[in-house]
Amino acid sequence: AQRVTQPEKLLSVFKGAPVELKCNYSYSGSPELFWYVQYSRQRLQLLLRHISRESIKGFTADLNKGETSFHLKKPFAQEEDSAMYYCALTTSGTYKYIFGTGTRLKVLA
Amino acid sequence: EPEVTQTPSHQVTQMGQEVILRCVPISNHLYFYWYRQILGQKVEFLVSFYNNEISEKSEIFDDQFSVERPDGSNFTLKIRSTKLEDSAMYFCASREQGLKNIQYFGAGTRLSVL
Repeated sequence: AQRVTQPEKLLSVFKGAPVELKCNYSYSGSPELFWYVQYSRQRLQLLLRHISRESIKGFTADLNKGETSFHLKKPFAQEEDSAMYYCALTTSGTYKYIFGTGTRLKVLA
Repeated sequence: EPEVTQTPSHQVTQMGQEVILRCVPISNHLYFYWYRQILGQKVEFLVSFYNNEISEKSEIFDDQFSVERPDGSNFTLKIRSTKLEDSAMYFCASREQGLKNIQYFGAGTRLSVL
């Protein structure tokens, strides 16, 4: 079965500290993975997709097929990074998203 | 920048009543989706819609649910007889044709069934 696991519900770090939000997936096909972010009272917004291999707002994520992971990383957290982060897997065909449960990131001053 | 628009932002209804949640997808998008998020739980796929028909639906999307694109711009989700457990945030999303499988989400409608 297709599944996305985000093991941490809440992650608190101090400003300037490195951040790693974990995401593991289960999918028998060739996955396409995304990170979406939801700032307070705002809509879900795309942060990263693994295919584009870019860095957005200092965040990067690498797909590791051996470990079936797509962890989100940032070397120096900022207070404005505080938000809810969702990892999502998309499947071939209808390309519906399968979301993880999300991780709330709190960056402390 | 174009956005997916959802109305209303909050809908309160009595159990057993019908509700219609409305969405205006981004204008050149061809694929449409509904998701829901019960408080404290993950965002779950409900249904996808393309070319005026349902392309996939989840187990949650039973006979009480229906979707429609009545006029070429709106995309609606109808719940015929609401239950308490339908209380959730409902998100509409759309994406364009092509390889970029990026879905754009609306701000959501919070449905409260009393």
